[in-house]
Amino acid sequence: NAGVTQTPKFRILKIGQSMTLQCTQDMNHNYMYWYRQDPGMGLKLIYYSVGAGITDKGEVPNGYNVSRSTTEDFPLRLELAAPSQTSVYFCASSYSKQGGYGYTFGSGTRLTVV
Amino acid sequence: AQRVTQPEKLLSVFKGAPVELKCNYSYSGSPELFWYVQYSRQRLQLLLRHISRESIKGFTADLNKGETSFHLKKPFAQEEDSAMYYCALSGSGNTGKLIFGQGTTLQVKP
Repeated sequence: NAGVTQTPKFRILKIGQSMTLQCTQDMNHNYMYWYRQDPGMGLKLIYYSVGAGITDKGEVPNGYNVSRSTTEDFPLRLELAAPSQTSVYFCASSYSKQGGYGYTFGSGTRLTVV
Repeated sequence: AQRVTQPEKLLSVFKGAPVELKCNYSYSGSPELFWYVQYSRQRLQLLLRHISRESIKGFTADLNKGETSFHLKKPFAQEEDSAMYYCALSGSGNTGKLIFGQGTTLQVKP
């Protein structure tokens, strides 16, 4: 009963480096989301997907890319890391397109860009 | 514009005192509202959904459309309630996107 699994849990990147944050869910949810959490700012939506092969931008997509080749996986790519991307990243999935059943969240990835 | 506002960054109460975490929203349609909780070193988890009108861990929240509010209440706070609480609004469209407030840290002192 894994739910939503995120890897890695922690990562330090140098400015200009690239990395992929992995997110996998085993609940057969169609809807998946990436949020970043910054102190005092709440959670901001980066990208989301309503099904395999379909992705769209959220509120703060700049500097990120996603893909959704399978229902289970929704990786988030940082191409050229910048200090402004220092944050905690959460992946979430949902059964309902209306959000009525709520999200299941991953445990988060704490990323520091130096 | 769709927006969720939690006016308090930090709410500090003593054990046994009543708690009210404020949440106001801006939305033109019929809102779906949620409260999420994040305990220390744990992942965010759903606490309440307004559509289910349930009470979880002694917490309740009533949707007040006139005041556009969805405040979270508990009559007697416990130390284990200390956590970060987020109010969230399900936005328009069939995407399931949630708009989160800034979060309120609840600190329950012994």
